[in-house]
Amino acid sequence: EAGVTQSPTHLIKTRGQQVTLRCSPISGHTSVYWYQQALGLGLQFLLWYDEGEERNRGNFPPRFSGRQFPNYSSELNVNALELEDSALYLCASRNRDKNIQYFGAGTRLSVL
Amino acid sequence: GDSVTQMEGPVTLSEEAFLTINCTYTATGYPSLFWYVQYPGEGLQLLLKATKADDKGSNKGFEATYRKETTSFHLEKGSVQVSDSAVYFCALSDQLGGSEKLVFGKGMKLTVNP
Repeated sequence: EAGVTQSPTHLIKTRGQQVTLRCSPISGHTSVYWYQQALGLGLQFLLWYDEGEERNRGNFPPRFSGRQFPNYSSELNVNALELEDSALYLCASRNRDKNIQYFGAGTRLSVL
Repeated sequence: GDSVTQMEGPVTLSEEAFLTINCTYTATGYPSLFWYVQYPGEGLQLLLKATKADDKGSNKGFEATYRKETTSFHLEKGSVQVSDSAVYFCALSDQLGGSEKLVFGKGMKLTVNP
């Protein structure tokens, strides 16, 4: 069974640009979570999607947004990139029965 | 809100040494507790979990017991190996609003030398 897949693995952008990150959950998982792992800040919850709807978001500005598609894959969009957005962005899908989140390998975003 | 406090390290041990990583939490309700491990250049992997008081999670020689009275979930391993070198995160699932989002500690980097 395939795990959570994320693309791309690495991205380099400049300030002010926009970026889209993609995540495919494990088959059968309907919930997708996004987390940011920035240097010195640890892992912070960004967004939760379930059954195609945004259900909860962390303490991030509105320029962080996303969506979940009918096949439960998800995109994370970040507009007007700032230097401090440089981080590893991790996606996880949840096995609802076992309440376990499985993580992808992440997308490393560098903002110059 | 819910929070997790864990030893941050970094910690360096010799192979076959005993490992303890302390983790305490603050939460409303009865969260599930987790230990995740992150190997260099990779995402997070679930190491073990516990869902209620006195549950013991175990995997790959690692163990942790859900202690409600001390709000703790300390990770232990009797004999570490070089391959255990990684960053270890303690986490709880925040049940507010049904999100079950994970709240993480800051992580502890472990290096095991041969």
